[in-house]
Amino acid sequence: DAGVIQSPRHEVTEMGQEVTLRCKPISGHNSLFWYRQTMMRGLELLIYFNNNVPIDDSGMPEDRFSAKMPNASFSTLKIQPSEPRDSAVYFCASSSFSEDTGELFFGEGSRLTVL
Amino acid sequence: GQQVMQIPQYQHVQEGEDFTTYCNSSTTLSNIQWYKQRPGGHPVFLIQLVKSGEVKKQKRLTFQFGEAKKNSSLHITATQTTDVGTYFCLRNNNDMRFGAGTRLTVKP
Repeated sequence: DAGVIQSPRHEVTEMGQEVTLRCKPISGHNSLFWYRQTMMRGLELLIYFNNNVPIDDSGMPEDRFSAKMPNASFSTLKIQPSEPRDSAVYFCASSSFSEDTGELFFGEGSRLTVL
Repeated sequence: GQQVMQIPQYQHVQEGEDFTTYCNSSTTLSNIQWYKQRPGGHPVFLIQLVKSGEVKKQKRLTFQFGEAKKNSSLHITATQTTDVGTYFCLRNNNDMRFGAGTRLTVKP
């Protein structure tokens, strides 16, 4: 299995631009998570989906952030308009709660820099 | 809100010394997971603890879950430079929120 695949790995954009981050979870996993990591705030849970349905989006910072999961093999996290304070590494993780541990498998992350 | 507090934030040790990080919750946890993130990498699952008082070992790593299922610890015996990274606990109470992490540096 290829693992969780995220794209792009790096993105540099200017304030006000739209940013779309993509994630392909591990095949067969029924849960998908988006995390944001910064030095100041650590690993923050933004949103998670079970069976493509958003379960908890209380971590989404504000209306500028939106996430979708149109099918079991794809999810997007969109920031519009982007701001410098959105600069962070965004991780996608997937899990299968039918397995013993329900451990999270992380992608390599998308490093976003907003100038 | 419900949180998992993790301490210390940083730990710098001499190679060969022991290391411990602690996670404490204000509420009972159904289970807790531990992850390691190497510098520049992504978190990688180490273990899950489910039972009250559970102790699990992985080579030089010892994981404990408190009797009340409100706290947990990760202990590394005789650290090596390969242990460098940030260790996170993760609360699994129908959500998946991480502690702040403990960054371990090891001086050769």
